[in-house]
Amino acid sequence: AQSVTQPDIHITVSEGASLELRCNYSYGATPYLFWYVQSPGQGLQLLLKYFSGDTLVQGIKGFEAEFKRSQSSFNLRKPSVHWSDAAEYFCAVKMDTGRRALTFGSGTRLQVQP
Amino acid sequence: NAGVTQTPKFQVLKTGQSMTLQCAQDMNHEYMSWYRQDPGMGLRLIHYSVGAGITDQGEVPNGYNVSRSTTEDFPLRLLSAAPSQTSVYFCASSLARTSNQPQHFGDGTRLSIL
Repeated sequence: AQSVTQPDIHITVSEGASLELRCNYSYGATPYLFWYVQSPGQGLQLLLKYFSGDTLVQGIKGFEAEFKRSQSSFNLRKPSVHWSDAAEYFCAVKMDTGRRALTFGSGTRLQVQP
Repeated sequence: NAGVTQTPKFQVLKTGQSMTLQCAQDMNHEYMSWYRQDPGMGLRLIHYSVGAGITDQGEVPNGYNVSRSTTEDFPLRLLSAAPSQTSVYFCASSLARTSNQPQHFGDGTRLSIL
Protein backbone atom coordinates (compact mmCIF):
# COMPACT_ATOMS: atom_id res chain seq x y z
CA ALA A 1 0.00 0.00 0.00
CA GLN A 2 1.15 3.49 -0.70
CA SER A 3 2.14 5.78 2.15
CA VAL A 4 3.35 9.32 2.62
CA THR A 5 5.70 10.48 5.36
CA GLN A 6 6.19 14.03 6.49
CA PRO A 7 8.88 13.67 9.15
CA ASP A 8 8.56 17.18 10.59
CA ILE A 9 5.42 17.72 12.64
CA HIS A 10 6.20 21.34 13.45
CA ILE A 11 8.69 23.82 11.97
CA THR A 12 9.42 27.38 13.04
CA VAL A 13 11.26 29.80 10.75
CA SER A 14 11.91 33.51 10.86
CA GLU A 15 10.22 35.77 8.38
CA GLY A 16 12.45 36.18 5.32
CA ALA A 17 14.27 32.92 5.90
CA SER A 18 14.18 30.03 3.46
CA LEU A 19 11.93 27.02 3.99
CA GLU A 20 12.05 23.36 3.06
CA LEU A 21 9.32 20.91 4.05
CA ARG A 22 10.11 17.25 3.56
CA CYS A 23 7.92 14.60 2.00
CA ASN A 24 8.74 10.97 1.23
CA TYR A 25 6.42 8.47 -0.38
CA SER A 26 6.29 4.73 -0.72
CA TYR A 27 4.87 3.48 -3.97
CA GLY A 28 5.97 1.07 -6.68
CA ALA A 29 5.66 3.46 -9.58
CA THR A 30 5.84 7.22 -9.90
CA PRO A 31 2.64 8.54 -8.38
CA TYR A 32 0.98 11.85 -8.94
CA LEU A 33 2.27 14.20 -6.23
CA PHE A 34 0.62 17.20 -4.63
CA TRP A 35 1.22 19.78 -1.94
CA TYR A 36 -1.76 21.39 -0.21
CA VAL A 37 -1.89 24.19 2.35
CA GLN A 38 -4.51 24.57 5.07
CA SER A 39 -4.97 27.82 6.95
CA PRO A 40 -6.69 27.62 10.36
CA GLY A 41 -10.39 26.85 10.02
CA GLN A 42 -10.15 26.55 6.26
CA GLY A 43 -10.19 23.81 3.66
CA LEU A 44 -7.21 22.65 1.66
CA GLN A 45 -5.78 24.73 -1.15
CA LEU A 46 -3.61 23.21 -3.87
CA LEU A 47 -0.11 24.71 -3.97
CA LEU A 48 1.40 22.63 -6.76
CA LYS A 49 1.39 19.24 -8.43
CA TYR A 50 3.76 16.91 -10.26
CA PHE A 51 2.75 14.38 -12.86
CA SER A 52 5.69 14.01 -15.22
CA GLY A 53 8.38 15.97 -17.03
CA ASP A 54 10.47 18.65 -15.38
CA THR A 55 11.19 17.52 -11.83
CA LEU A 56 11.16 21.08 -10.46
CA VAL A 57 7.62 22.42 -10.37
CA GLN A 58 6.46 25.90 -9.57
CA GLY A 59 3.32 26.61 -7.62
CA ILE A 60 1.33 29.47 -6.24
CA LYS A 61 2.49 31.90 -3.54
CA GLY A 62 6.15 31.53 -4.54
CA PHE A 63 6.43 27.85 -3.61
CA GLU A 64 8.28 25.20 -5.59
CA ALA A 65 8.88 21.49 -5.16
CA GLU A 66 11.43 19.08 -6.53
CA PHE A 67 10.69 15.45 -7.34
CA LYS A 68 13.63 13.12 -6.74
CA ARG A 69 12.88 9.61 -7.92
CA SER A 70 16.01 8.11 -6.38
CA GLN A 71 15.02 9.37 -2.95
CA SER A 72 11.23 8.95 -3.34
CA SER A 73 10.92 12.53 -2.20
CA PHE A 74 8.93 15.59 -3.14
CA ASN A 75 10.16 18.41 -0.89
CA LEU A 76 8.49 21.80 -0.83
CA ARG A 77 10.62 24.94 -0.80
CA LYS A 78 10.27 28.68 -0.59
CA PRO A 79 13.26 31.07 -0.72
CA SER A 80 11.79 33.72 1.59
CA VAL A 81 8.93 33.02 3.98
CA HIS A 82 6.22 35.58 4.73
CA TRP A 83 4.20 35.76 7.94
CA SER A 84 1.10 34.83 5.93
CA ASP A 85 2.67 31.45 5.09
CA ALA A 86 1.97 30.22 8.62
CA ALA A 87 -0.34 27.25 8.09
CA GLU A 88 -0.35 23.47 7.91
CA TYR A 89 1.10 21.84 4.82
CA PHE A 90 0.13 18.44 3.49
CA CYS A 91 1.91 16.29 0.97
CA ALA A 92 -0.32 13.83 -0.92
CA VAL A 93 -0.01 11.15 -3.56
CA LYS A 94 -2.49 9.62 -5.92
CA MET A 95 -2.29 6.33 -7.74
CA ASP A 96 -3.24 5.99 -11.37
CA THR A 97 -5.95 3.47 -10.59
CA GLY A 98 -9.71 3.43 -10.21
CA ARG A 99 -9.94 4.74 -6.70
CA ARG A 100 -8.09 7.96 -7.50
CA ALA A 101 -8.19 9.06 -3.91
CA LEU A 102 -5.41 10.99 -2.28
CA THR A 103 -3.20 9.49 0.39
CA PHE A 104 -2.06 12.25 2.72
CA GLY A 105 0.91 12.69 4.95
CA SER A 106 0.24 13.69 8.55
CA GLY A 107 1.07 17.31 7.85
CA THR A 108 3.70 19.85 8.90
CA ARG A 109 2.63 22.89 10.86
CA LEU A 110 4.65 25.99 9.95
CA GLN A 111 5.09 28.83 12.40
CA VAL A 112 6.67 32.08 11.23
CA GLN A 113 8.48 34.30 13.71
CA PRO A 114 8.70 38.06 13.10
CA ASN B 1 -17.64 30.57 -8.05
CA ALA B 2 -19.11 28.31 -5.38
CA GLY B 3 -16.84 25.28 -5.96
CA VAL B 4 -17.42 22.69 -3.22
CA THR B 5 -19.94 23.69 -0.57
CA GLN B 6 -20.30 21.87 2.73
CA THR B 7 -23.05 22.33 5.28
CA PRO B 8 -23.24 22.70 8.18
CA LYS B 9 -19.89 24.25 9.16
CA PHE B 10 -20.25 23.18 12.81
CA GLN B 11 -22.38 20.57 14.54
CA VAL B 12 -22.63 19.07 18.01
CA LEU B 13 -24.38 15.73 18.42
CA LYS B 14 -25.15 13.39 21.25
CA THR B 15 -24.00 9.78 21.10
CA GLY B 16 -26.50 7.70 19.15
CA GLN B 17 -27.97 10.56 17.16
CA SER B 18 -27.97 10.48 13.37
CA MET B 19 -27.24 13.26 10.93
CA THR B 20 -26.29 13.99 7.34
CA LEU B 21 -23.38 16.14 6.26
CA GLN B 22 -24.14 17.83 2.96
CA CYS B 23 -21.72 18.33 0.08
CA ALA B 24 -22.50 19.98 -3.25
CA GLN B 25 -20.27 20.97 -6.16
CA ASP B 26 -21.11 23.05 -9.20
CA MET B 27 -18.16 22.13 -11.40
CA ASN B 28 -19.74 19.04 -13.03
CA HIS B 29 -17.07 16.84 -11.45
CA GLU B 30 -17.62 13.12 -11.71
CA TYR B 31 -15.42 12.17 -8.76
CA MET B 32 -16.39 13.08 -5.21
CA SER B 33 -15.03 11.91 -1.90
CA TRP B 34 -15.25 12.34 1.86
CA TYR B 35 -12.26 12.55 4.18
CA ARG B 36 -11.93 12.95 7.91
CA GLN B 37 -9.09 14.91 9.46
CA ASP B 38 -7.78 14.04 12.90
CA PRO B 39 -4.76 15.55 14.66
CA GLY B 40 -1.48 14.00 13.57
CA MET B 41 -3.13 11.73 11.02
CA GLY B 42 -3.62 13.88 7.96
CA LEU B 43 -6.79 13.19 5.99
CA ARG B 44 -8.20 9.70 5.63
CA LEU B 45 -10.64 8.60 2.95
CA ILE B 46 -14.09 7.51 4.16
CA HIS B 47 -16.09 6.93 0.96
CA TYR B 48 -15.84 8.00 -2.64
CA SER B 49 -17.90 8.07 -5.82
CA VAL B 50 -16.82 8.06 -9.47
CA GLY B 51 -20.22 9.12 -10.75
CA ALA B 52 -23.94 9.22 -10.05
CA GLY B 53 -25.17 5.89 -8.73
CA ILE B 54 -21.66 4.59 -7.98
CA THR B 55 -20.06 4.64 -4.54
CA ASP B 56 -17.31 2.68 -2.84
CA GLN B 57 -15.56 2.43 0.50
CA GLY B 58 -12.35 4.12 1.40
CA GLU B 59 -9.90 3.58 4.22
CA VAL B 60 -12.23 4.23 7.20
CA PRO B 61 -15.85 3.57 6.10
CA ASN B 62 -17.32 2.03 9.26
CA GLY B 63 -20.18 4.02 10.76
CA TYR B 64 -20.78 6.07 7.62
CA ASN B 65 -23.09 5.72 4.62
CA VAL B 66 -23.13 7.61 1.35
CA SER B 67 -25.27 7.84 -1.76
CA ARG B 68 -24.86 9.65 -5.07
CA SER B 69 -28.20 10.26 -6.75
CA THR B 70 -26.99 13.29 -8.70
CA THR B 71 -23.64 14.49 -10.05
CA GLU B 72 -23.76 17.57 -7.84
CA ASP B 73 -24.50 16.10 -4.41
CA PHE B 74 -22.70 13.58 -2.21
CA PRO B 75 -24.13 13.47 1.33
CA LEU B 76 -22.43 11.62 4.19
CA ARG B 77 -24.65 9.98 6.79
CA LEU B 78 -23.78 9.08 10.36
CA LEU B 79 -26.35 6.48 11.39
CA SER B 80 -25.56 6.37 15.12
CA ALA B 81 -22.94 8.91 16.14
CA ALA B 82 -20.09 7.82 18.39
CA PRO B 83 -17.47 9.97 20.19
CA SER B 84 -14.80 8.41 17.92
CA GLN B 85 -16.44 10.21 15.01
CA THR B 86 -15.57 13.60 16.45
CA SER B 87 -13.50 15.06 13.65
CA VAL B 88 -13.33 17.59 10.85
CA TYR B 89 -14.91 16.28 7.67
CA PHE B 90 -13.90 17.41 4.21
CA CYS B 91 -15.63 16.80 0.92
CA ALA B 92 -13.61 16.95 -2.30
CA SER B 93 -14.32 16.68 -6.00
CA SER B 94 -12.38 16.35 -9.24
CA LEU B 95 -12.75 15.41 -12.85
CA ALA B 96 -12.55 11.63 -13.07
CA ARG B 97 -11.57 11.18 -16.67
CA THR B 98 -7.86 11.19 -15.82
CA SER B 99 -6.09 10.56 -12.56
CA ASN B 100 -3.94 13.66 -12.69
CA GLN B 101 -6.74 16.08 -11.91
CA PRO B 102 -6.32 17.82 -8.54
CA GLN B 103 -9.07 17.59 -5.99
CA HIS B 104 -10.99 20.67 -4.89
CA PHE B 105 -11.89 20.77 -1.20
CA GLY B 106 -14.74 22.32 0.71
CA ASP B 107 -14.14 24.33 3.88
CA GLY B 108 -15.03 21.41 6.14
CA THR B 109 -17.61 20.47 8.75
CA ARG B 110 -16.44 20.42 12.36
CA LEU B 111 -18.36 17.71 14.17
CA SER B 112 -18.34 17.02 17.91
CA ILE B 113 -20.00 13.96 19.42
CA LEU B 114 -20.74 14.18 23.14
